[in-house]
Amino acid sequence: DADVTQTPRNRITKTGKRIMLECSQTKGHDRMYWYRQDPGLGLRLIYYSFDVKDINKGEISDGYSVSRQAQAKFSLSLESAIPNQTALYFCATSDPTAWELFFGEGSRLTVL
Amino acid sequence: AQRVTQPEKLLSVFKGAPVELKCNYSYSGSPELFWYVQYSRQRLQLLLRHISRESIKGFTADLNKGETSFHLKKPFAQEEDSAMYYCALSGGGSYIPTFGRGTSLIVHP
Repeated sequence: DADVTQTPRNRITKTGKRIMLECSQTKGHDRMYWYRQDPGLGLRLIYYSFDVKDINKGEISDGYSVSRQAQAKFSLSLESAIPNQTALYFCATSDPTAWELFFGEGSRLTVL
Repeated sequence: AQRVTQPEKLLSVFKGAPVELKCNYSYSGSPELFWYVQYSRQRLQLLLRHISRESIKGFTADLNKGETSFHLKKPFAQEEDSAMYYCALSGGGSYIPTFGRGTSLIVHP
């Protein structure tokens, strides 16, 4: 009964392929985020969404796109994957104060 | 711009020793500061936030605006404290959290 669910959990793909990572939540939060985790670089924000009609770029949005299909769903796409996009990707949600982020379990992506 | 610096990638201590994980921030206004923890094979979760002034699992953190720091401390480390710790800052009108690079804490028996 996870509050924030990410699929797939693991994915191996080849350079140039299109990949979609999906996130769904049952927290009822308007805000959703996609972060990327790399060893030594911590968590970096890719995109965030305040509600279904409000989507914003984070610090490392190049090469990524997102779709907020509903309040509960926020998908991250890599149109043409490249090896340096190999990372652990986290979805998170929060209320407007952002006093606590609730994270998914992560999606590990490997681009060969 | 807001920035969070965690100067140590790795901190290794023995059980029972005191622990201090450093966090410094750069922000022109009044920040909201947090510590998140990621135990092995578990999702990131909030450990504590400065506004609550609480102690969780024996950890405390005091906001020092003069030194722009929010160091995480525990007087006696336990093996189960081994994890990755992230300091985070939220500020400005949009309250978008910015995370530091993380410190891996290893507590040896």
